[in-house]
Amino acid sequence: DQQVKQNSPSLSVQEGRISILNCDYTNSMFDYFLWYKKYPAEGPTFLISISSIKDKNEDGRFTVFLNKSAKHLSLHIVPSQPGDSAVYFCAASEYNQGGKLIFGQGTELSVKP
Amino acid sequence: AAGVIQSPRHLIKEKRETATLKCYPIPRHDTVYWYQQGPGQDPQFLISFYEKMQSDKGSIPDRFSAQQFSDYHSELNMSSLELGDSALYFCASSSSSGRAYNEQFFGPGTRLTVL
Repeated sequence: DQQVKQNSPSLSVQEGRISILNCDYTNSMFDYFLWYKKYPAEGPTFLISISSIKDKNEDGRFTVFLNKSAKHLSLHIVPSQPGDSAVYFCAASEYNQGGKLIFGQGTELSVKP
Repeated sequence: AAGVIQSPRHLIKEKRETATLKCYPIPRHDTVYWYQQGPGQDPQFLISFYEKMQSDKGSIPDRFSAQQFSDYHSELNMSSLELGDSALYFCASSSSSGRAYNEQFFGPGTRLTVL
């Protein structure tokens, strides 16, 4: 049972435009959500996170939006740059479950010059 | 800044052999997590340790064991290796203090190939 889902395996965006990566979850007990970026042969790199008590968190070009009623979150990257091309994983955790991360399947973002 | 260190980066073993993967967390991080990522899959949680005690256990086979030592480094021991154990194994660390208690920072991973 996939508790965190990223339904788009890939996304292609033109440089300078906005990239929007989506993530849905089923477990209403999740209280913390994170986005990771991963290059081949490297470990996931932490990008940005959001607590369930917030609906938006912004860090430079990256903004994460959380819609708890829809159990949906999204990562906005603006403006997109070719160096952003990577696989993006959405992850969720539940405080009472020791902080382990439940990952989505990942979305491969390609930013074209 | 210091990151999570994993060794070895690559490991090739035969079926039924044993393997030991090591993880050195970011200094002052007290929690270590192990994840397994199969080909084309998302990382799956295996086991975690907080202050040298096992804190949670996921889909880790009985053939695998792990521990966290007094210097906070952790080792994942894998015995009776099977072909299906071939995967990337990631270690992540976090600090239990402050608000970012579950912002986990990942190491580069160990690629285990079982022949």
